[in-house]
Amino acid sequence: QVQLVESGGGVVQPGRSLRLSCEASGFTFSFHAFHWVRQAPGEGLKWVALISSDGYRKHHAESVKGRFSISRDNFKNTLYLQLNSLRPEDTAMYFCARDNGDPLPAFDIWGRGTMVTVS
Amino acid sequence: DIQMTQSPSSLSAYVGDRVTITCRASQSISRHLNWYQQKPGKGPKLLIYAASSLQSGVPSRFSGSGSGTDYTLTITSLQPEDSAIYYCQQSYIIAQYTFGQGTRLEI
Repeated sequence: QVQLVESGGGVVQPGRSLRLSCEASGFTFSFHAFHWVRQAPGEGLKWVALISSDGYRKHHAESVKGRFSISRDNFKNTLYLQLNSLRPEDTAMYFCARDNGDPLPAFDIWGRGTMVTVS
Repeated sequence: DIQMTQSPSSLSAYVGDRVTITCRASQSISRHLNWYQQKPGKGPKLLIYAASSLQSGVPSRFSGSGSGTDYTLTITSLQPEDSAIYYCQQSYIIAQYTFGQGTRLEI
């Protein structure tokens, strides 16, 4: 069964750090690029970060650049998001999503999310 | 960044109806447009990619169209399980992916 399962969220004080994980199963993890997307309570979706299939190319949204870092371990089939210098406005549900690899890309598999509360 | 504007922000319809949700980009995005459905407590689900391609497993009552800056999601023969929030997303510029604000559909 193709699925992504996020973990690592919680309540953290401003300025502290957290590492989120996203474990993949049911497909060949190393074939795909992945994204993190977040959703503040009652709000819409905002893209956070992208990592290539080999892990060498990474991109981060301007709002998190220098504070958040995406990474992956293709041997463990796991995607990560390191969150540093957290701010109250980073409070959100964080989703990992698989890139479908199409020339016109889309996010074809999503997890259920892990909640981060900065307070 | 490319801004995505969805309309309406919410709508109500009945079982069996046909509804259309529109999404306008602030510049041409050359069919780099995706539609997602999100239900409470769940991650989004991809419905349509590349403006009009139906994602595998998605019922054929969902369809997408459009080009340039203007795109639409149409749902025919509405079912109770179609109650959800629908988001458009542009993927035209790598690492500047943006979503519309969402359309809440009540059946």
